Amino acid sequence: AQSVTQLGSHVSVSEGALVLLRCNYSSSVPPYLFWYVQYPNQGLQLLLKYTTGATLVKGINGFEAEFKKSETSFHLTKPSAHMSDAAEYFCAVTPYSSASKIIFGSGTRLSIRP
Amino acid sequence: EAGVTQFPSHSVIEKGQTVTLRCDPISGHDNLYWYRRVMGKEIKFLLHFVKESKQDESGMPNNRFLAERTGGTYSTLKVQPAELEDSGVYFCASSQVGVVGTEAFFGQGTRLTVV
Repeated sequence: AQSVTQLGSHVSVSEGALVLLRCNYSSSVPPYLFWYVQYPNQGLQLLLKYTTGATLVKGINGFEAEFKKSETSFHLTKPSAHMSDAAEYFCAVTPYSSASKIIFGSGTRLSIRP
Repeated sequence: EAGVTQFPSHSVIEKGQTVTLRCDPISGHDNLYWYRRVMGKEIKFLLHFVKESKQDESGMPNNRFLAERTGGTYSTLKVQPAELEDSGVYFCASSQVGVVGTEAFFGQGTRLTVV
């Protein structure tokens, strides 16, 4: 069985500060890992994904995430927050080489303070 | 290229009524998924179509929910009769079959409110 845990339902940072959103997963098989973002009144948009290969994955809008197998983590970071980053972020996992269902974390709402 | 499209964007219905949600996937995507997010909780899987066949419907909450995908193109999700706890945002997603590592593309969701 697979599961995803996102630590912190709400994170607030100052504009220009480091963004760190935490995600830990549980999977009995090698996973695919994703971060999705939902901006207000919009659908879910893929930020980045890890499948195989390089464990540091770069995504859109300056975000990146590092797959750490030993820690079963896939934390999302951005060096300098921008006001436009305010949104809800979802970590997700799906089994390797499968088109089966995606399992989502509960989401982290990111607020940016001016 | 058009993305995943969902209709309607919002729906408010009374308890006991019927509502039908529609999803048009990206052209050529044989995988189609329905998800639901209730009251700010996690996004939960409902079911998965491959073309017109139900591959996995383990997430369907009860028999008041009926999903169809006739012809393997668009899909509908009917709730009959609706209950208060069915309120939430219903997302549809699609992806390609046979592409390793492909992600699912999501629609904007249908916000369902049952009063």
